[in-house]
Amino acid sequence: DAKTTQPTSMDCAEGRAANLPCNHSTISGNEYVYWYRQIHSQGPQYIIHGLKNNETNEMASLIITEDRKSSTLILPHATLRDTAVYYCIVRVANNDYKLSFGAGTTVTVRA
Amino acid sequence: ETGVTQTPRHLVMGMTNKKSLKCEQHLGHNAMYWYKQSAKKPLELMFVYSLEERVENNSVPSRFSPECPNSSHLFLHLHTLQPEDSALYLCASSQLAAITGELFFGEGSRLTVL
Repeated sequence: DAKTTQPTSMDCAEGRAANLPCNHSTISGNEYVYWYRQIHSQGPQYIIHGLKNNETNEMASLIITEDRKSSTLILPHATLRDTAVYYCIVRVANNDYKLSFGAGTTVTVRA
Repeated sequence: ETGVTQTPRHLVMGMTNKKSLKCEQHLGHNAMYWYKQSAKKPLELMFVYSLEERVENNSVPSRFSPECPNSSHLFLHLHTLQPEDSALYLCASSQLAAITGELFFGEGSRLTVL
């Protein structure tokens, strides 16, 4: 039972913003939205998470819709090193140790 | 460098061998995880240890045997594996009950079973 839906793949141009959508229409009130990415043959890397407010850190911005049924991860200035599989995950923070990864979105940044 | 170190990075073994994968975390976390990633498949959670006690075993065959001697170390003992067990095995750690609770992953151990 997939909790999130993401496009299979997307391309973006180097230096441009990459906007990665995620649908989570069945999200519960106490579930957070997490984003991870996995560069080829490496372990996944935490990017950002949020509950209902938009969040920004040094890696990315997370925009969550008011109804919380979808979100967008924004990489403001994509570089070739951002080429990776990006996973959108919903989970209850700090008391749910299970993190279920789906297929994610394969993002290819092109020069 | 994520603070989670896995060894060996690459392992080739025969079906009758016994080997072990090792994971060490230097983050002071109290939970550790083993994930399996087969080619073209999503990550699959195998085992979870919380405060050195196994709290999750996702129907993993008994030929995989985890061990968590302390909160910093996690092992995955392998014996009589099958070729379909060839995969990237990822270790992760987290701080349970922390506000963010994100997982920190190691670089993985690439296992090939001949």
